[in-house]
Amino acid sequence: GENVEQHPSTLSVQEGDSAVIKCTYSDSASNYFPWYKQELGKRPQLIIDIRSNVGEKKDQRIAVTLNKTAKHFSLHITETQPEDSAVYFCAASRPYSSASKIIFGSGTRLSIRP
Amino acid sequence: AAGVIQSPRHLIKEKRETATLKCYPIPRHDTVYWYQQGPGQDPQFLISFYEKMQSDKGSIPDRFSAQQFSDYHSELNMSSLELGDSALYFCASSLEVGASDPQYFGPGTRLTVL
Repeated sequence: GENVEQHPSTLSVQEGDSAVIKCTYSDSASNYFPWYKQELGKRPQLIIDIRSNVGEKKDQRIAVTLNKTAKHFSLHITETQPEDSAVYFCAASRPYSSASKIIFGSGTRLSIRP
Repeated sequence: AAGVIQSPRHLIKEKRETATLKCYPIPRHDTVYWYQQGPGQDPQFLISFYEKMQSDKGSIPDRFSAQQFSDYHSELNMSSLELGDSALYFCASSLEVGASDPQYFGPGTRLTVL
């Protein structure tokens, strides 16, 4: 079945350093890959997304890359700040079918050390 | 900008009781999704609706049912509640199913079953 694997499960980086979170997906028909940030007890917030016709997308300190052949995609956060501390979920979806649901990865708890 | 609205925000029920969760999507959004998130878990897809018709179904127990009304709001009905149903329930909305449109999450309903 559809599956999204996410690594690492926890990540601690020094403030100002970069953080990288990696995901793989199993469904080759997936063509939309959102990333969500979730603070404790709050809603998942969409921070960036990428579609299968694009290899890389950047928004200020956040960038996402996609390798469709390898079915890998990654989130890169540069110049990390304390407010970046949260749980990050990668996800995959294959619209244009009845299966429009998002399949989430298991999450990465990112901690920024001051 | 208007966001997804969920009510109630918190709900406490006894085992075997029923509960109804409500979701009001972002204006003009026609697709609603329901997710269940247990402590320390990733959100799990339950069910989705597009234009008032069920479009996809995930790991939703038979004790749960949902529908989308003519004004596009949705309700998740949960019967014979069990302790394991205690979780955060998120509703998300998007503009059009099958078009790779982002899903935006509501603040969630925290259900506690005693």
